[in-house]
Amino acid sequence: ILNVEQSPQSLHVQEGDSTNFTCSFPSSNFYALHWYRWETAKSPEALFVMTLNGDEKKKGRISATLNTKEGYSYLYIKGSQPEDSATYLCALRDDYKLSFGAGTTVTVRA
Amino acid sequence: ETGVTQSPTHLIKTRGQQVTLRCSSQSGHNTVSWYQQALGQGPQFIFQYYREEENGRGNFPPRFSGLQFPNYSSELNVNALELDDSALYLCASSPGGGRGGTEAFFGQGTRLTVV
Repeated sequence: ILNVEQSPQSLHVQEGDSTNFTCSFPSSNFYALHWYRWETAKSPEALFVMTLNGDEKKKGRISATLNTKEGYSYLYIKGSQPEDSATYLCALRDDYKLSFGAGTTVTVRA
Repeated sequence: ETGVTQSPTHLIKTRGQQVTLRCSSQSGHNTVSWYQQALGQGPQFIFQYYREEENGRGNFPPRFSGLQFPNYSSELNVNALELDDSALYLCASSPGGGRGGTEAFFGQGTRLTVV
């Protein structure tokens, strides 16, 4: 099982502000790092799949970076909107399974 | 929506009973994985089915079992339910064995409460 930690556990952001949070892992022995956004009462939505050190991905106002040498990935939200309120999950994929962190819950205040 | 559907959405069972949860995978996906999410934790891998065979298993006891059917839909069965089995159960489907950088698409989950 791959150990994945996410911090902070939760954060509150004012609408319009930007924020970022971290997924850290002690080992680079995985095929890919996945980010999911999970809104209440919905299914987790895939945001990014990242495989290479230095990968940067962007989807609208959300972007992510991967540093396998130092063992972390950052997810950034630029100009937060109320619809960004969700739990963001990071997961590492080894041969066949995903190992998840506990998530960062983001609440955007209007 | 992902095209992965789970049923039922909620259910309540008594300790010692058995339960079956169902998952219909996204069209074209031959791999289904099951995860358990307990309160305050990230989803934990239970097992994966690929082309009707168990393809990998997490740290769950044998009373957790599964099936995959020729249409790639899947069932998760839990026998002798315990209070700690209360959790959200998520199903994820993937193409091609779900390996490497393959994306996994999740259903909305089944909330199981054991009393």
